[in-house]
This record gives sequence, structure tokens and C-alpha cells, in this order.
Amino acid sequence: DQQVKQNSPSLSVQEGRISILNCDYTNSMFDYFLWYKKYPAEGPTFLISISSIKDKNEDGRFTVFLNKSAKHLSLHIVPSQPGDSAVYFCAASGMNYGGSQGNLIFGKGTKLSVKP
Amino acid sequence: DTEVTQTPKHLVMGMTNKKSLKCEQHMGHRAMYWYKQKAKKPPELMFVYSYEKLSINESVPSRFSPECPNSSLLNLHLHALQPEDSALYLCASSRLLANTGELFFGEGSRLTVL
Repeated sequence: DQQVKQNSPSLSVQEGRISILNCDYTNSMFDYFLWYKKYPAEGPTFLISISSIKDKNEDGRFTVFLNKSAKHLSLHIVPSQPGDSAVYFCAASGMNYGGSQGNLIFGKGTKLSVKP
Repeated sequence: DTEVTQTPKHLVMGMTNKKSLKCEQHMGHRAMYWYKQKAKKPPELMFVYSYEKLSINESVPSRFSPECPNSSLLNLHLHALQPEDSALYLCASSRLLANTGELFFGEGSRLTVL
């Protein structure tokens, strides 16, 4: 059973509009969440993270929101640009979640296409 | 230098071959990782090294053998693989072994087992 779920395999957005990528998790022991971006033929690249003690973290055009009670996080990209077209992975970790220390649990990814 | 370099980028091998995947980083990171990613699946952790010592082995079959010769290098030795082992193998590093640090990934080695 997947502990980190990205239920939308793909998302298409017009340039300049907002992209919202969603991620749900099941394990309440997760306390740190990250978003990675992956272009074809490249490894995942860290984008932004959030600790469970916060509900929002912003970095330029990228904002991550965390709703602990709903076990849900989202990544907002505004304004979206064609260069943002990539696969976005949500990942979670936790010191005591029962998994291995240093182990990130990834979602399956959402492919974002930003159309000019 | 913020790169994790993996070689080779592509590898095709038969089930009786012995080959190795290599990973290198010069960021002074003390934790290094091997992840396996199959098509349309998330990356899955295989091994973690912390300070050149194997810290985690996520129940990986013995036909995969990791090695960390020094703090900058991480190898994955492959022997008697099966076709289902065909996947993208991603190396990553982080400053320390912790749950709050970002991982820096290499581009991956695309392995095909015939």
C-alpha cells in the first residue's frame, strides 16, 4: 500500500496560470515533506520542502502548503512557465515513522505540461 | 560543484554478466544512496551508506552488491541479474544521514538485462 499518493498522473496548465499539484500521505509519523522535479533523462532535482511544524513554505514562484489534519500537501506554481513542464514527485520522511532513517518515500509523480 | 555523476548512463547486460555502476560526488556529503526506479513507479530505496559504512539495506537481493571505497565514490556491483532488474538506477547524496536533508540525485544509469 502506497504511503505517499499522487493521484493525478498528469496535469495540463496554460502559461501564466497557476499549477496546483497534490499529494496525500497515510502515515502520521511523517514529519518532513519534499517536492522534487524531474526532466526526462535527468535525475530528480530538489525543489522545495516543508517541515510538519509549518503549514506553508514559499520560494519564489513555488509555494508548498501542508494540511496535517487532512494528511495533504500541495505545490503551487504561479505563474506557470513552459520550462516548468516536468514530472513532479512528492516525498516524505520521518525520524520515527518506522522506516529507515534517511529513506524518502516517493509518490508516483505528476507530469505537468505548461502550454504556451 | 553540486553534481552527482553516474556512469555509465546506459548499460545492457546478459544474465551471466558482471558489471558495475559508479557514482561520484565532490560536495563533501557523507551519506550516499542507491535508488531503483521502474517505469511509472516512484524511486525505491536500495542501500544507504553513511560515513562509508553500509547503514541500510532494504532487503535487496544479493545479486546487487554495493561498495563505498571512499567518501566520494559509491559503486553498485551487478551479477547474475534477471530481466526484471531492468530499471533506472539513481544515485543520490546528502550532507548527512538525516530525515530533513535534501537529496542530490545523479542522472541515473539506465540498465537493461537481456
